[in-house]
Amino acid sequence: DGGITQSPKYLFRKEGQNVTLSCEQNLNHDAMYWYRQDPGQGLRLIYYSQIVNDFQKGDIAEGYSVSREKKESFPLTVTSAQKNPTAFYLCATASGISSYEQYFGPGTRLTVT
Amino acid sequence: GESVGLHLPTLSVQEGDNSIINCAYSNSASDYFIWYKQESGKGPQFIIDIRSNMDKRQGQRVTVLLNKTVKHLSLQIAATQPGDSAVYFCAENQAGTALIFGKGTTLSVSS
Repeated sequence: DGGITQSPKYLFRKEGQNVTLSCEQNLNHDAMYWYRQDPGQGLRLIYYSQIVNDFQKGDIAEGYSVSREKKESFPLTVTSAQKNPTAFYLCATASGISSYEQYFGPGTRLTVT
Repeated sequence: GESVGLHLPTLSVQEGDNSIINCAYSNSASDYFIWYKQESGKGPQFIIDIRSNMDKRQGQRVTVLLNKTVKHLSLQIAATQPGDSAVYFCAENQAGTALIFGKGTTLSVSS
């Protein structure tokens, strides 16, 4: 997991509530990513950020929002508009958008009932 | 859109055997490929990578083979151990874009 922290490891919320997942890194990496993983599936890209105060939508951005106010932090908000929010959420970093190798955090398992 | 896939969702081997995990990709413009290992409840960990100008790369007990003619990638694990049990993902990348992941192969090693 290196210098990437995701908290909490498990998160439970009621349907209709927004919830924010934390991702912090001390690797001094420019690029940060959020992925969603469902059982038996690969990783799908939600949002990514190449630099502070800039981010782009990934393949499944609907119902999610992000911010990148600091280089070290890239929080993900799962809004009530996300129809199936229960999943394992993974944050990753890379030294730059053109850097191929991504380092992953330990993940947060979100359960919405 | 184009994506990376894996031939088999599961693979079961005996301890000490060699394991081969396969992956097919469809984007001929991809120039970099990575294999990740993911243990239950954890984030993926980098295993080995290969660039498109290579056809083979070796690490410790692992070898990645790239066949650009048929767009096929494989991960070979020598002398598989119980600790190798995990889900293995291949991923492809083009310069300046995000990684595209396959669905994963679950490797089960029995002793």
